[in-house]
Amino acid sequence: QKEVEQDPGPLSVPEGAIVSLNCTYSNSAFQYFMWYRQYSRKGPELLMYTYSSGNKEDGRFTAQVDKSSKYISLFIRDSQPSDSATYLCAMTVLYNQGGKLIFGQGTELSVKP
Amino acid sequence: NAGVTQTPKFRVLKTGQSMTLLCAQDMNHEYMYWYRQDPGMGLRLIHYSVGEGTTAKGEVPDGYNVSRLKKQNFLLGLESAAPSQTSVYFCASSYGPDQPQHFGDGTRLSIL
Repeated sequence: QKEVEQDPGPLSVPEGAIVSLNCTYSNSAFQYFMWYRQYSRKGPELLMYTYSSGNKEDGRFTAQVDKSSKYISLFIRDSQPSDSATYLCAMTVLYNQGGKLIFGQGTELSVKP
Repeated sequence: NAGVTQTPKFRVLKTGQSMTLLCAQDMNHEYMYWYRQDPGMGLRLIHYSVGEGTTAKGEVPDGYNVSRLKKQNFLLGLESAAPSQTSVYFCASSYGPDQPQHFGDGTRLSIL
């Protein structure tokens, strides 16, 4: 069983739709919970991160963490064609003297005009 | 507002050649990382550094060496390139060991 499981998609929605992206995890030692967006031929771009359970909002994006259920979500309101990308959930864990990111498999999102 | 910058962006090598990938960050981060991203395998940690002058092995270190002579730079070397090292290489940096990492745009490396 993978430490982080992400709904693989792909996901196709019409412009203006609300998008929900989800991940579950099994390791209680995870510290930070993040969402990255990766456009084709680009690096992962940090969208949002949070340390604790609850909601965090940034414009059209809301990140939700439920540590008791080991579940995180990213909601995108009023989705735009420019939101079309692969979304990766990720969690940090201490690794020897450094840290390691554990990524979900990624969900490819396509927003149709 | 550069963040993490990787050079070169693309490179084609022949088997057995050597090369160095450069990563530079301007965020004064202590921690830096090298990953490779392959289809179906996700991002895998090659080597990392917890500060200037330090390096450590990640999950897939074989065939790679690294150096961190300056805090802002992290170099990844391939001494004798092999076709199995064809991949997209990403550098990342973070303020602390368990804090969010910021990525560069990657180096696409093909080994023939």
